[in-house]
Amino acid sequence: EVQLVESGGGLVKPGGSLRLSCAASGFTFSNAWVTWVRQAPGKGLEWVGRIRSNSNGGTPDYAAPVEGRFTISRDDSRNTLYLQMNSLKTEDTAVYYCATYSSGYSDNWGQGTLVTVSS
Amino acid sequence: QSALTQPPSASGSPGQSVTISCTGTSSDVGAYNYVSWYQQHPGKAPKLMIYEVSKRPSGVPDRFSGSKSGNTASLTVSGLQAEDEADYYCSSYAGNKIVFGGGTKLTVL
Repeated sequence: EVQLVESGGGLVKPGGSLRLSCAASGFTFSNAWVTWVRQAPGKGLEWVGRIRSNSNGGTPDYAAPVEGRFTISRDDSRNTLYLQMNSLKTEDTAVYYCATYSSGYSDNWGQGTLVTVSS
Repeated sequence: QSALTQPPSASGSPGQSVTISCTGTSSDVGAYNYVSWYQQHPGKAPKLMIYEVSKRPSGVPDRFSGSKSGNTASLTVSGLQAEDEADYYCSSYAGNKIVFGGGTKLTVL
């Protein structure tokens, strides 16, 4: 069974940093492209970014609102995806989901982790 | 403002059909056959219902169908059931990025 489990969310002050993790199991993580999607309270889904498998270069792509502040990385030896978030803004407050990615869609999702940016 | 435009709400009675539209541009929906649809119940993670415009993942009832014409994609739910009441989001590949619609709240009357 495919499982994705996010962790690392919490309360952080504006301008602060936080690193989210996503532990994967039940599939060959090293072959997978994976993505982060967020959802602000009471709002819709927003794509944050994705990272290719290392066999496809391992490079990330980002949405414009987070480019330059967020960094997506992966550790295939640990079957873990990361989201390093710097220079956080109040508008980054959201539930952050990790998900597998293929041909423009995400078929397996984690349960999400809440990030609150507030003074 | 969301990149893809969906109606904020839709409704239908049990057994009826309802169609939700998703309008993009020639740079996303119109350019690629990589439109997907997600169902989200309150407090839950999104669930993939349709991918690549009209394909259904294993386990999704065939009451759910997808289509596309030009820059507009559509999700049709036939034979509405109470458990179909949820938020629905469309999504499209847009050249090294993904764009989502603002979501449609489907109410089963």
